[in-house]
Amino acid sequence: GNSVTQMEGPVTLSEEAFLTINCTYTATGYPSLFWYVQYPGEGLQLLLKATKADDKGSNKGFEATYRKETTSFHLEKGSVQVSDSAVYFCALGNSGGYQKVTFGIGTKLQVIP
Amino acid sequence: NAGVTQTPKFQVLKTGQSMTLQCAQDMNHEYMSWYRQDPGMGLRLIHYSVGAGITDQGEVPNGYNVSRSTTEDFPLRLLSAAPSQTSVYFCASSYAKTGGSGELFFGEGSRLTVL
Repeated sequence: GNSVTQMEGPVTLSEEAFLTINCTYTATGYPSLFWYVQYPGEGLQLLLKATKADDKGSNKGFEATYRKETTSFHLEKGSVQVSDSAVYFCALGNSGGYQKVTFGIGTKLQVIP
Repeated sequence: NAGVTQTPKFQVLKTGQSMTLQCAQDMNHEYMSWYRQDPGMGLRLIHYSVGAGITDQGEVPNGYNVSRSTTEDFPLRLLSAAPSQTSVYFCASSYAKTGGSGELFFGEGSRLTVL
């Protein structure tokens, strides 16, 4: 079945540091890939997505590229801010049929001033 | 625009009690789902629905029942609560019925503790 692997963290960075959160997946077919973000006390919200190989999703300075050859969708940001402190979830949607999204365990990011 | 609304936000139950977590969405989404979030486990799909009258099991359905009588509502029922059901529950909906390419819209979550 489908699965998503990401490190749990926590990841602690200083403000303005470069961020990479690795995500690899196992899936059949051609799934869509997502990054969701969960701020403290809130539900998840979509950060970015990519629907086919080599697509780059981007939003709020975050980027991730759908790499089918390495089955990866790593999240990057050039300069993190304290307000980026949150839990980040990598996820994939099954290709074809009805939507079922599989989530990774989530990576907690803490940015310190 | 309310989006996805979950109630209650917090609930404490004793083992064996029953309760219903409510979920409503005002976006006319066909797809609705329930996830539970546990430390080190991420989000796991409990049940989902692709339209009124249609439901199916997800990854961890045991101990939970659902029904979908209207497009707007998708309640999750715990018939006999167990401590293993202590978790944070999220309802999510989507406009995408096929292909898995649609965005999920989440409620704010319901924190359930079973003593």
